[in-house]
Amino acid sequence: GENVEQHPSTLSVQEGDSAVIKCTYSDSASNYFPWYKQELGKRPQLIIDIRSNVGEKKDQRIAVTLNKTAKHFSLHITETQPEDSAVYFCAASVVGDSNYQLIWGAGTKLIIKP
Amino acid sequence: SQTIHQWPATLVQPVGSPLSLECTVEGTSNPNLYWYRQAAGRGLQLLFYSVGIGQISSEVPQNLSASRPQDRQFILSSKKLLLSDSGFYLCAWTGYNEQFFGPGTRLTVL
Repeated sequence: GENVEQHPSTLSVQEGDSAVIKCTYSDSASNYFPWYKQELGKRPQLIIDIRSNVGEKKDQRIAVTLNKTAKHFSLHITETQPEDSAVYFCAASVVGDSNYQLIWGAGTKLIIKP
Repeated sequence: SQTIHQWPATLVQPVGSPLSLECTVEGTSNPNLYWYRQAAGRGLQLLFYSVGIGQISSEVPQNLSASRPQDRQFILSSKKLLLSDSGFYLCAWTGYNEQFFGPGTRLTVL
C-alpha cells in the first residue's frame, strides 16, 4: 500500500524567509497530492493541492511542486508571516478509487520567528 | 453548501466508561465518511471509513467501533474507554477530491 514520508518534523524560519516541506510517496498510482494546514486546536484545512498531470501550482505565497519520476512533492511558502505558524500535513491518494483514502504524512510543525 | 457537524466538542470520561461521538453531514448525499484520531502533537490516524450505509471498514483493531445508521450520519463508539483513547477525534467527508473535516471532539480519558 501507499506510504507517505514527510520531512522535516519541525521547521523554524525567520519571518520573511521561505519555508520548504518535502514529502515522498511510494505508490506510483497516486495522482492527487493535497497539503493541509492545522492551527493549534483547530481542524486541518486544505491550502493547496496538485494532480499528477501538473508539475507545479502556485497560489499567492504558497506553491507546490511535484516530481512524479522521483515520487516526491514539496510545499513552498515564501515571505513567511507569523500566521503561517501551524502544523502542515501532506497526503497522497488515488482519485477514482471507490474506497478513496488519503494517506497522510506525519506532519511538520512550522515555527515563524519574529 | 456542505457542512459537517460533530458533537460533543469536548468530553472528559473515566476509564472503563462508554463513548458515543456523532458526526453528521449536510448538503451532500452518499458521502464517503471517515473517523480520525489525533493524539497530542501527533499526526492523523485513520480509524474507520464508510462508503455507504452499514458499510464500515476498520483500519486499526482496537476497542472502538463505528456505525453508519443513515446516509449522512457516522457514529464512533466504545464500550470501555482506555487511557490511550484520549485525543482529538475528527470526522471527515470526501468531496470530489478534497477531504473536509468537522470541528472535532477533544476527548480526555482520566
